[in-house]
Amino acid sequence: DVKVTQSSRYLVKRTGEKVFLECVQDMDHENMFWYRQDPGLGLRLIYFSYDVKMKEKGDIPEGYSVSREKKERFSLILESASTNQTSMYLCASSSQSGRNYNEQFFGPGTRLTVL
Amino acid sequence: GNSVTQMEGPVTLSEEAFLTINCTYTATGYPSLFWYVQYPGEGLQLLLKATKADDKGSNKGFEATYRKETTSFHLEKGSVQVSDSAVYFCALSDSGGGADGLTFGKGTHLIIQP
Repeated sequence: DVKVTQSSRYLVKRTGEKVFLECVQDMDHENMFWYRQDPGLGLRLIYFSYDVKMKEKGDIPEGYSVSREKKERFSLILESASTNQTSMYLCASSSQSGRNYNEQFFGPGTRLTVL
Repeated sequence: GNSVTQMEGPVTLSEEAFLTINCTYTATGYPSLFWYVQYPGEGLQLLLKATKADDKGSNKGFEATYRKETTSFHLEKGSVQVSDSAVYFCALSDSGGGADGLTFGKGTHLIIQP
């Protein structure tokens, strides 16, 4: 069974802290993505990666960075957390080939609260 | 740029009612279209997809047809159940290989009452 896991389901941090959100997939997918989900705004793409050590900005990259040192792992970093980064963060992965090449598989999400 | 517009809801129906959730899109290329579902407390799951015009995606009694002439991908189900209560997202991808992210609508919260 395909799986995308995220390091925490719930996280509470203080303003100014450095925050790491980890995502791991076991499907040998090339592409990985980070989205944030907010009520009334749907899902918005923060960053994505199509290969190890490669990264591309999505629609709302400000205040975030990412790291992809291994194919299976994609980390989202909040260098200095702010209250407006309180949100649900969703990781996803997809393959670049095969029958389901354009289908994204999602993790369960991390609900981050910044106080 | 790409965009997806869907009715936001909440949409409240009685069990066994007919469901339609409208979705229209704008895209620069020739996109693939998706419906994802998010049950309470969970991540998104792919419900169905269509990759070319006139394709019909179907799963779990849900259907949607890719209509290029009206740029639409409306979700339908003939008889909904309480277990269908969830948030439904329409999305598109216009990159081959899915290397870019999906563009999502804002989601439609569906509530089915017994």
